[in-house]
Amino acid sequence: DTGVSQDPRHKITKRGQNVTFRCDPISEHNRLYWYRQTLGQGPEFLTYFQNEAQLEKSRLLSDRFSAERPKGSFSTLEIQRTEQGDSAMYLCASSFLVGSDREQFFGPGTRLTVL
Amino acid sequence: AQSVTQLDSHVSVSEGTPVLLRCNYSSSYSPSLFWYVQHPNKGLQLLLKYTSAATLVKGINGFEAEFKKSETSFHLTKPSAHMSDAAEYFCVVSDRSQAGTALIFGKGTTLSVSS
Repeated sequence: DTGVSQDPRHKITKRGQNVTFRCDPISEHNRLYWYRQTLGQGPEFLTYFQNEAQLEKSRLLSDRFSAERPKGSFSTLEIQRTEQGDSAMYLCASSFLVGSDREQFFGPGTRLTVL
Repeated sequence: AQSVTQLDSHVSVSEGTPVLLRCNYSSSYSPSLFWYVQHPNKGLQLLLKYTSAATLVKGINGFEAEFKKSETSFHLTKPSAHMSDAAEYFCVVSDRSQAGTALIFGKGTTLSVSS
């Protein structure tokens, strides 16, 4: 049984560079979520997909951020022109939309450090 | 709007003593409530969830929580702490009337367990 996987686990970049993260959800899950967690805080919602459709975006998702889920399987999150304030843990989660069960399964996260 | 407030940012207990982590929620709709645990360098793991069935919810590793609508609380308890319980705990709410929406996390409570 494979859970949610994320790649890379760690990323160090210089301010102004672009970075891309990948998330592979649990295979039968049709919902995929991205969250951001800064030090000492709980995760905050960024965006989610149902299959390949991006259904909701948080106001936290500035125009430098873009997410895709082209075939309804894996997803990518790209940050353009990174800023030091983008340093955080980026978490991916997936769930299966059945009934009222809201459990989301989380990946280990990608820790981004912007120098 | 939904929100959760974790009343303690840090709780310290001795091994073998009871654990109480407090959480109050605010929701305009029927909420689903969760507790997630995050160990250092590990992904978020679901401890337990409330989705309108029994108000006393039992989870993994001996944890349980009681949903009290009149008090808008969902406190997490464990009769006897173990060293391995030391971690960050998040109280989480979602809107049960809307399938698959984002989770709203509290700021977290750090549980320390001393021998």
